Amino acid sequence: DAKTTQPPSMDCAEGRAANLPCNHSTISGNEYVYWYRQIHSQGPQYIIHGLKNNETNEMASLIITEDRKSSTLILPHATLRDTAVYYCIVRVGGPNFGNEKLTFGTGTRLTIIP
Amino acid sequence: DAGVTQSPTHLIKTRGQQVTLRCSPKSGHDTVSWYQQALGQGPQFIFQYYEEEERQRGNFPDRFSGHQFPNYSSELNVNALLLGDSALYLCASSLYRAPYEQYFGPGTRLTVT
Repeated sequence: DAKTTQPPSMDCAEGRAANLPCNHSTISGNEYVYWYRQIHSQGPQYIIHGLKNNETNEMASLIITEDRKSSTLILPHATLRDTAVYYCIVRVGGPNFGNEKLTFGTGTRLTIIP
Repeated sequence: DAGVTQSPTHLIKTRGQQVTLRCSPKSGHDTVSWYQQALGQGPQFIFQYYEEEERQRGNFPDRFSGHQFPNYSSELNVNALLLGDSALYLCASSLYRAPYEQYFGPGTRLTVT
């Protein structure tokens, strides 16, 4: 799996959009970008994933650059409950790839400031 | 619909002992993966079970073994415990042929003294 690079920490004011960057310059054509977050003392929580198109769900938006070498997770209106460690993971995907493991880095510790 | 459940929540063991951790996957899921998370680190993949067989394995010694039962639940066994095995052990479940999301349980906190 390709490696990812994330800033170790970020702050964001409550109510503002939180933009979390991730670099994955060695990503391969069949690798997806996944985002998970881990709130203190809980298991990681799936947020969103994408291959090459921008994606949006009820939790967040994922913007992937055209060359797929970087992406940004956007939490549109951050709340205090969004304080967590956010992991960007690149992983092979698709129906012919079974269930590949997730390779976590150290992530970005996002702190929402009241 | 219950999510992924793990037991016990916390466990304290002594060096050299053996431990068994348990995981019940989310309803409808057939694949269970186990991860170890040391303090301050991201989770590290231990192994994955599907159809009662180990399908993938991370860089963990043979002291770590597992099992999956016909009802898809799973156990993680660790023999000859070391102080370095102290960690949060996470179980994740998913569908083998539709793996886009893995759902994690709350974890078991193992302390080895």
